[in-house]
Amino acid sequence: GAVVSQHPSWVICKSGTSVKIECRSLDFQATTMFWYRQFPKQSLMLMATSNEGSKATYEQGVEKDKFLINHASLTLSTLTVTSAHPEDSSFYICSARAVPGELFFGEGSRLTVL
Amino acid sequence: GENVEQHPSTLSVQEGDSAVIKCTYSDSASNYFPWYKQELGKRPQLIIDIRSNVGEKKDQRIAVTLNKTAKHFSLHITETQPEDSAVYFCAATITDNYGQNFVFGPGTRLSVLP
Repeated sequence: GAVVSQHPSWVICKSGTSVKIECRSLDFQATTMFWYRQFPKQSLMLMATSNEGSKATYEQGVEKDKFLINHASLTLSTLTVTSAHPEDSSFYICSARAVPGELFFGEGSRLTVL
Repeated sequence: GENVEQHPSTLSVQEGDSAVIKCTYSDSASNYFPWYKQELGKRPQLIIDIRSNVGEKKDQRIAVTLNKTAKHFSLHITETQPEDSAVYFCAATITDNYGQNFVFGPGTRLSVLP
């Protein structure tokens, strides 16, 4: 199947700093990518839909200024957690649709804010 | 919008027994129903999917059935093995819509006891 790569897989940062997570589609072009947050033992919570060349669409309750999304090319979307705080610690996962009906996920990024 | 429910939330079976997980969806326009397996700390992996023009699909020990009238679909795992232990998510979406997210069920934690 198609490959979606996410980096970094693990990051620890101090409170107040910003962290950037990259999501790349390695063997296909993705005009749309999705960013999720997953709490322990819970399902995938959609944060935003990232659209190449335009603004991201955020889900209700997700702070746009807190979670900056940039879809600069057909193969790259980035999520920046700005001024991170301990409550932002979580598992963040991106995904992209390669062909009609198939969704592939990145490896996920575990963020720990001290 | 679409709403996906999933039951049970946890399931324990003895190795060699069968496991069944059921999902219901609300939007009759949904026509693609994938199942994902997520091991602890890893990305969700597509294990099987079914489209609305098919009632059943099988891949070795895994099968999925779909009842469009009742708007429910089920995952069946036969001859379970310890490596089947994971969280399983069902999802519903509309194919040919690259910009549309998948709506995920809350997940089922399957434990296969040796």
